[in-house]
Amino acid sequence: DSGVTQTPKHLITATGQRVTLRCSPRSGDLSVYWYQQSLDQGLQFLIQYYNGEERAKGNILERFSAQQFPDLHSELNLSSLELGDSALYFCASSVDPSPNEQFFGPGTRLTVL
Amino acid sequence: QQQVKQSPQSLIVQKGGISIINCAYENTAFDYFPWYQQFPGKGPALLIAIRPDVSEKKEGRFTISFNKSAKQFSLHIMDSQPGDSATYFCATKSWGKLQFGAGTQVVVTP
Repeated sequence: DSGVTQTPKHLITATGQRVTLRCSPRSGDLSVYWYQQSLDQGLQFLIQYYNGEERAKGNILERFSAQQFPDLHSELNLSSLELGDSALYFCASSVDPSPNEQFFGPGTRLTVL
Repeated sequence: QQQVKQSPQSLIVQKGGISIINCAYENTAFDYFPWYQQFPGKGPALLIAIRPDVSEKKEGRFTISFNKSAKQFSLHIMDSQPGDSATYFCATKSWGKLQFGAGTQVVVTP
């Protein structure tokens, strides 16, 4: 168990809808990362927050947004969902913003029908 | 675009055999080369990593070989065990950002 928690574990929704994925980092970790894992794209970095501020951006679509709250938990919002957004979404955390190890949560499996 | 090319996509090895996974990268600005292991239903977890000023690192049955001039690094799993069956991702790290390879699914048969 990495100490990173993600909710919900599974999410099934319809095209065009909006969902929110939640992540609680390990105790003491200030940095949160979001990744998307799909069969055809592998593990893709989406976005990083450090102590509430956006630090780095990857291949995140404009329909997606994220934020990190004062208690350091993070939410990833996915809107106008498409079938291709079906994937596993992982959150990871670390103590500092440029760590040699990131600790991954168990993931949220999103299915868009 | 895939800046880290990983091969093979999958491999099957007998118990006690050697599993070898290869990765090649393009950018030279990376400062860390980790390997992550992912079991079904779980998130990836750091297995072993190497810095670019080292050519080899061994931890138990797992060894990373690093060739800076060729921009390649590989993971060797010696004496493979059924419990090693998982997906393995190589990655490159630059300023905290991890770029992952496509992953290799390893199946170790009894």
